[in-house]
Amino acid sequence: DAKTTQPPSMDCAEGRAANLPCNHSTISGNEYVYWYRQIHSQGPQYIIHGLKNNETNEMASLIITEDRKSSTLILPHATLRDTAVYYCIVSRSQGGSEKLVFGKGTKLTVNP
Amino acid sequence: EAQVTQNPRYLITVTGKKLTVTCSQNMNHEYMSWYRQDPGLGLRQIYYSMNVEVTDKGDVPEGYKVSRKEKRNFPLILESPSPNQTSLYFCASSLSSPGSNEQFFGPGTRLTVL
Repeated sequence: DAKTTQPPSMDCAEGRAANLPCNHSTISGNEYVYWYRQIHSQGPQYIIHGLKNNETNEMASLIITEDRKSSTLILPHATLRDTAVYYCIVSRSQGGSEKLVFGKGTKLTVNP
Repeated sequence: EAQVTQNPRYLITVTGKKLTVTCSQNMNHEYMSWYRQDPGLGLRQIYYSMNVEVTDKGDVPEGYKVSRKEKRNFPLILESPSPNQTSLYFCASSLSSPGSNEQFFGPGTRLTVL
């Protein structure tokens, strides 16, 4: 199973870009990289996912290195409401389907 | 509004008293799953279901049962709850397998077993 490594915590100033790194050096060719976040004890919220190419949506951008061994989630203009735990997940096979294995994530604190 | 609902949101019970936590989704999703979240351990999958009448064990299934008689509902059953099942529980659903689809999570059920 491809595992991910994330820093346990990061800080960011409000209005600045937040760049959250993730290492997944054992990722295989057909595994996706997913990002979710969890605000306090609410249900996790999907942010973005990608396979090889960089992706962007209304919430964030995902930059995946060419060798796919690492990725960066970018929140372009962080707000106080972006304070949350961010999970980088690589999908893994589960009896013919894939499943998501949540690690400990990165606790992002956006400061005023 | 597309959503996953769970009930109850909070529950305090005693050891051995059977309980059911309901989960329902209105998005016609095939895949549904239950997780528990404990401090320092992150989210761990309990059971999942690929479709109606198809369920399978996740990483921590001991002490739990599930059923999937209808596509929209996926109840979690604790036949004889014990204090080590005190946890925050999340139900989730996705169009098909979560490896290639966005997973929607419910608001959570905080369970305390005394």
